[in-house]
Amino acid sequence: KQEVTQIPAALSVPEGENLVLNCSFTDSAIYNLQWFRQDPGKGLTSLLLIQSSQREQTSGRLNASLDKSSGRSTLYIAASQPGDSATYLCAVKTGANNLFFGTGTRLTVIP
Amino acid sequence: DTAVSQTPKYLVTQMGNDKSIKCEQNLGHDTMYWYKQDSKKFLKIMFSYNNKELIINETVPNRFSPKSPDKAHLNLHINSLELGDSAVYFCASSPSGPTSGRIYEQYFGPGTRLTVT
Repeated sequence: KQEVTQIPAALSVPEGENLVLNCSFTDSAIYNLQWFRQDPGKGLTSLLLIQSSQREQTSGRLNASLDKSSGRSTLYIAASQPGDSATYLCAVKTGANNLFFGTGTRLTVIP
Repeated sequence: DTAVSQTPKYLVTQMGNDKSIKCEQNLGHDTMYWYKQDSKKFLKIMFSYNNKELIINETVPNRFSPKSPDKAHLNLHINSLELGDSAVYFCASSPSGPTSGRIYEQYFGPGTRLTVT
């Protein structure tokens, strides 16, 4: 069964730093990988979606990469801002429209 | 307009009660889902419906019964609520069906925080 792990579980950085969040999954037979953001007490916001045939996707200060063969994805956030503070979740999609979620990385950007 | 909406946002109830959570999407998607997020923030899929038909039913007690009156709605009814049911429940939708092999992203509702006392 697919297992998704995110490291680190929590991360604190000063404003302006570039940072990388890691996601690993055990079964490389995925359709796509999606990064989400969750703010405290709120729902999920989709940030980036990488198809299984792609290597990376970019949106503004965010860049997500995918190495399907090694079961890894990274989310790179450039020039972090306090507003980036949230929990970041990665999820991989397998067959039957199922999404397997990681446990998330709680990011705090210190002004 | 909200794409995926859930009501209520908060639900506090006592053990043994029966309650329902409603979900509606106005995106014209074919597939809808229910997820449970536990106290450790881990999201697990509970159900998936495609065009009003149940596709995925993970290991969920039969006290949980999803109802899909039409493609745009997927409600979650919970009987005989237990303390362990306390969690945040997320509804989501996507335009792909389970057999299409197409790879669209899922859109999530804001969540319903259920507290069972």
